[in-house]
Amino acid sequence: GAGVSQSPSNKVTEKGKDVELRCDPISGHTALYWYRQSLGQGLEFLIYFQGNSAPDKSGLPSDRFSAERTGGSVSTLTIQRTQQEDSAVYLCASSRPRNQETQYFGPGTRLLVL
Amino acid sequence: DAKTTQPNSMESNEEEPVHLPCNHSTISGTDYIHWYRQLPSQGPEYVIHGLTSNVNNRMASLAIAEDRKSSTLILHRATLRDAAVYYCILRDVNNAGNMLTFGGGTRLMVKP
Repeated sequence: GAGVSQSPSNKVTEKGKDVELRCDPISGHTALYWYRQSLGQGLEFLIYFQGNSAPDKSGLPSDRFSAERTGGSVSTLTIQRTQQEDSAVYLCASSRPRNQETQYFGPGTRLLVL
Repeated sequence: DAKTTQPNSMESNEEEPVHLPCNHSTISGTDYIHWYRQLPSQGPEYVIHGLTSNVNNRMASLAIAEDRKSSTLILHRATLRDAAVYYCILRDVNNAGNMLTFGGGTRLMVKP
């Protein structure tokens, strides 16, 4: 079946502009995660959605970052007033809801803030 | 989640076995040991996981020390396509958040 898809694959924006990144999880996966990978760095957790529960936003680096998940499927990560340090690869993953389930990652969106 | 320690990089020759070590001396009884890998320009992918016993699947084997303070991911015959960053991750069964905590991983280079 189809894997996790993300769009756009690449995004170049100017400092101060807002950007929206989209994630389409695997059908039936109720858990959805956003991670960020800065150049040469490891992956850091941003936010986690599980079904209808309140999202775990503990990894969001600032209040310029927000995410929503509509209808328990597609998710959008929004970065307002982008800064150069926001440049990174933003990765989305989805999984079945149970603990220890495998997370399936999308190809990522490469964001460059000029 | 407990921390893991891995070598920054390793080299292997094609078609030879590779043993990727991971130390997790502060592992708790409820931590599972997971391995993911990230090929160039791709998102991470699951490799294998285990709790106490050694595990085998089509991709690799996982050898877990008896005291669980270390583990080794074994690729039986490395191919050029196995060149990637390999992450050893502990996941607490009691962690409601269930997110993955990535360390620096080991960059595996495979020479033809």
